[in-house]
Amino acid sequence: DIVMTQSPDSLAVSLGERATINCKSSQSVLYSSNKKNYLAWYQQKPGQPPKLLIYWASTRESGVPDRFSGSGSGTDFTLTISSLQAEDVAVYYCQQFYGTPQLSFGGGTKVEIK
Amino acid sequence: QVQLVESGGDVVQPGRSLRLSCAASGFAFSSYGMHWVRQAPGKGLESVAIISKDGSNKYYTDSVKGRFTISRDNSKNTLYLQMNSLRLEDTALYYCAKDAYYSSGTYFDYWGQGTLVTVSP
Repeated sequence: DIVMTQSPDSLAVSLGERATINCKSSQSVLYSSNKKNYLAWYQQKPGQPPKLLIYWASTRESGVPDRFSGSGSGTDFTLTISSLQAEDVAVYYCQQFYGTPQLSFGGGTKVEIK
Repeated sequence: QVQLVESGGDVVQPGRSLRLSCAASGFAFSSYGMHWVRQAPGKGLESVAIISKDGSNKYYTDSVKGRFTISRDNSKNTLYLQMNSLRLEDTALYYCAKDAYYSSGTYFDYWGQGTLVTVSP
C-alpha cells in the first residue's frame, strides 16, 4: 500500500502571505509511460465535504482560484497558496491514485490565519 | 449540475446492519466509477469501497472486506453500501463520491454531503 504523509499537521499564516503544504508518498506515483503524477489535492472547510483543487499533481480544477498551485514529482509534492485569503481556512488533503484501486489520502494539514 | 445525495445513516448497535444509498443526478451515472469514502469524527479521509461503472468490478479496503458490499443500480442512478457486522470503529461520516474518469479508481471530482453512521452499544 502507498502511504501518504503530509507536513506540517497545521500551520498559521498571515492574510496575504504564502502557505506551503507538503505531501510525501512512500513510493513514486509518477507513471513512466505518460509522465503523469497520480496525485490530487482537496480542500475541506468545516462542515463541508472535500472539494477537488488539483489533479495530476499540478492541474487546477475548473473554478479554483489561481492562487492555488500544485508542484512536485515522484514522491514529493507541494500545495502552495500564494496569498492566503480568509476563505482558505480549511484542512487540505493529498491523495494518490497510482496504486488504484488502493487509493490513499494524507493525514491532512489544517491551515489557519495568524 | 452534479448532485450526490446520501441517505440511510443512523445510530446502530455493534453487530447490526445498515444500508446506505446515494442518489446521483446531473451526469451520466452509468459511465463512471463510484466510491464510498468515510471520515471518522475529527479524523482524515479513508477510501472504503469502489465500484466500476457497470458494477462488474468492486474493491474494498481491508478493514471492511467480508462485511461491506458496494453495489449500484444504473437504472435508478443510485449507489449503495450494505454494511453488516458493524463495529465501533465504523463510526464515521460516509461520503458518496464520483470518480473523475470512466475508470474506477482515480480521483474524486464530486462529493455528496455525507450521511452519518454511529455504531454505539
